[in-house]
Amino acid sequence: AQSVTQPDIHITVSEGASLELRCNYSYGATPYLFWYVQSPGQGLQLLLKYFSGDTLVQGIKGFEAEFKRSQSSFNLRKPSVHWSDAAEYFCAVGGEFDKIIFGKGTRLHILP
Amino acid sequence: EPEVTQTPSHQVTQMGQEVILRCVPISNHLYFYWYRQILGQKVEFLVSFYNNEISEKSEIFDDQFSVERPDGSNFTLKIRSTKLEDSAMYFCASSGGGARSNQPQHFGDGTRLSIL
Repeated sequence: AQSVTQPDIHITVSEGASLELRCNYSYGATPYLFWYVQSPGQGLQLLLKYFSGDTLVQGIKGFEAEFKRSQSSFNLRKPSVHWSDAAEYFCAVGGEFDKIIFGKGTRLHILP
Repeated sequence: EPEVTQTPSHQVTQMGQEVILRCVPISNHLYFYWYRQILGQKVEFLVSFYNNEISEKSEIFDDQFSVERPDGSNFTLKIRSTKLEDSAMYFCASSGGGARSNQPQHFGDGTRLSIL
């Protein structure tokens, strides 16, 4: 069965610092992988997606993620965070069925 | 950029009452979904809908739930007899293609459903 693990419930970084949010997935075949961001009271916005090809994918707002099959990981990175990046980030996996399975989310806090 | 829109943004309903949550998917999309997020928990898949029928549903989507595409633009989720545990944020999503299509799901801002 598909599953997603985000081991960090909360992460705090200083503005301008680099960021890495961890995501591990479980899926028997080649997964489709996504990162979504949710600001307070808002919906889910797609940051980036991996379907195939280049394992380093670029997204919106300066985010990137790298698919590592050997580690079953799809970590999200940003070289320099901004205060507006404070939000909840969800890693998700899709596959042969239409549904997406979400992780529990990582809440990102930014220190000024 | 086209958006998925959901109405209302907040719905308060008495336990046992019926509620209908409404969604307008992106206009050229063919695949539609409902998810829910109980406060403090992860987003959970409820149902997917294509070609006027349910293509997949989760164990959460029991007989009290139904979905409908009543016209060419709306996609609705009906909860027949609401329970306290139905209180959650409900997200609608749409996609231009199915699972293997290389097209992601786009989500609306959600409807917060509060059952009293």
